[in-house]
Amino acid sequence: KQEVTQIPAALSVPEGENLVLNCSFTDSAIYNLQWFRQDPGKGLTSLLLIQSSQREQTSGRLNASLDKSSGRSTLYIAASQPGDSATYLCAVRPIGTSYGKLTFGQGTILTVHP
Amino acid sequence: GAVVSQHPSRVICKSGTSVKIECRSLDFQATTMFWYRQFPKQSLMLMATSNEGSKATYEQGVEKDKFLINHASLTLSTLTVTSAHPEDSSFYICSASGGTGNNEKLFFGSGTQLSVL
Repeated sequence: KQEVTQIPAALSVPEGENLVLNCSFTDSAIYNLQWFRQDPGKGLTSLLLIQSSQREQTSGRLNASLDKSSGRSTLYIAASQPGDSATYLCAVRPIGTSYGKLTFGQGTILTVHP
Repeated sequence: GAVVSQHPSRVICKSGTSVKIECRSLDFQATTMFWYRQFPKQSLMLMATSNEGSKATYEQGVEKDKFLINHASLTLSTLTVTSAHPEDSSFYICSASGGTGNNEKLFFGSGTQLSVL
């Protein structure tokens, strides 16, 4: 059974710092891995999607990498801002599942203070 | 703007009552929708896959008679929590897939916070 783990569970940093969030998964048989952002009491916003054949994806200040063989992904946030404060979730789509059947990690709660 | 609308955003009900949550795809047809549940400080757990015009597929451990799913049209899926109890209090989120092939994307609703007294 696929398990997704995120470290750290919570992170508090001053504004302007670069930071890394970690995600690991136990089964490398995946179609893709996604990073999401969730604001309190809200739904999810997709940040980056990495296909299993890709190594990384970038969007603005965000960069996500994927090492499928070792079951790891990182989300790098450059020059963090208070508006980046949210819960960040990573999720994988296991091979053999339909689109949308994702296995999520428990999330990293990020707080960026001014 | 939001492409998946979910409501209500928050509901408080008495134990024993039933609650219906709606999930609508606003500008695309969604043959498949997904229902997730999230307990405080825990991950999203897939409850069921909702297929238009057919019965939903439930994940192991999810009671299909308690969580009724109806996907009557290509733009609407509903989740009804029947005879709700305090342990059903949770955050419920739907998602819908749109597009095909490399253009296929997954969109999430804004979630429903259910509190059962």
